[in-house]
Amino acid sequence: AQKVTQAQTEISVVEKEDVTLDCVYETRDTTYYLFWYKQPPSGELVFLIRRNSFDEQNEISGRYSWNFQKSTSSFNFTITASQVVDSAVYFCALSEVLTGGGNKLTFGTGTQLKVEL
Amino acid sequence: DAGVTQSPTHLIKTRGQQVTLRCSPISGHKSVSWYQQVLGQGPQFIFQYYEKEERGRGNFPDRFSARQFPNYSSELNVNALLLGDSALYLCASSMYTGGPSYEQYFGPGTRLTVT
Repeated sequence: AQKVTQAQTEISVVEKEDVTLDCVYETRDTTYYLFWYKQPPSGELVFLIRRNSFDEQNEISGRYSWNFQKSTSSFNFTITASQVVDSAVYFCALSEVLTGGGNKLTFGTGTQLKVEL
Repeated sequence: DAGVTQSPTHLIKTRGQQVTLRCSPISGHKSVSWYQQVLGQGPQFIFQYYEKEERGRGNFPDRFSARQFPNYSSELNVNALLLGDSALYLCASSMYTGGPSYEQYFGPGTRLTVT
């Protein structure tokens, strides 16, 4: 069975600090996709990034960057110069194709990020 | 463009009652998935529908059922409610399904409280 582990339950930082959120996954699939979602207090999950198992290049989008390492089954997320608006719960997720032809996301338990002034 | 919409926003029910939650996907999206998120946990997959057919079911009891309509909107029904069904129910839509790459876009959720 697929599994996603986010060992950090809660992280508190001061604004402008860099912060890295860890994600470790388990899968027997050779082709798979990993995702990061942000969940602000409003509750809606906001899609941040998708990465496939064949592309180990790091990706940067503004203050966000992602480090995918297949050798350690990790897909970590770094926020540079954090801001108060970054405060949210962040989820890492792994996509799985189902026998019925659908696909589902398996989520980690999330990391609560609190950015303070 | 409108995102995924869900109704109602909040709902309070009593144990043993039945509830129906509704979801409208992003225009052009043909697949709808339902997830349950208990407080402090990540979302758990319940169902996925594509073109009105069930394409996947998570590890939930038969009290949970769903359907998709010709306009691709969807309903999730839960019968004989238990206290443990209290959660945020999230609907997600994607253009297609069948491959692991399709991004799922989530709605704001329906907060169900069972007393």
